[in-house]
Amino acid sequence: GQNIDQPTEMTATEGAIVQINCTYQTSGFNGLFWYQQHAGEAPTFLSYNVLDGLEEKGRFSSFLSRSKGYSYLLLKELQMKDSASYLCALYSGTYKYIFGTGTRLKVLA
Amino acid sequence: EAGVVQSPRYKIIEKKQPVAFWCNPISGHNTLYWYLQNLGQGPELLIRYENEEAVDDSQLPKDRFSAERLKGVDSTLKIQPAELGDSAVYLCASSRDGVDEQFFGPGTRLTVL
Repeated sequence: GQNIDQPTEMTATEGAIVQINCTYQTSGFNGLFWYQQHAGEAPTFLSYNVLDGLEEKGRFSSFLSRSKGYSYLLLKELQMKDSASYLCALYSGTYKYIFGTGTRLKVLA
Repeated sequence: EAGVVQSPRYKIIEKKQPVAFWCNPISGHNTLYWYLQNLGQGPELLIRYENEEAVDDSQLPKDRFSAERLKGVDSTLKIQPAELGDSAVYLCASSRDGVDEQFFGPGTRLTVL
């Protein structure tokens, strides 16, 4: 099976850097997605990691280590609008997508 | 490019009543997903379509839930009869193919009284 663990909630200050971790137990997967979801809205795509290493997209970066069974999303120069839930999702091929429960990030002024 | 369209946005029904949700995916997207999302949880896949074919419906409670995507474009998800525990947000998503990022619709918030 596949278990995905994320911290339930995190708090950070505007302008700071925050790292949201995602650990998983699975026998194999094709890639790992990160989505952002504002309260009451639909998830929106942030990043997709297939290979180990860091993928950078502006203020957001995502890292994957298959050997260690974890990924993280790094948010730099935090803004108030970054307050949202961040969902980690595994794509295991054969049409299987599994989402984590999400991490609710609060950015304080 | 228009996004994924869902209707209705909100639905309130009494238990044991039927309800249906509609989804129009992004044009050209072959893969369509229906998810259920409870408050504070991640989306849980109910069913996934590749064109007209349901390729994964293992999590769909088939005694009361049904779905169709007859022409490989629009899709409907039906619950009959609805139970109190079905109260949730029902999200539709689409992607060009199975490995691409998913584009989510705004969801239908169902309340069963």
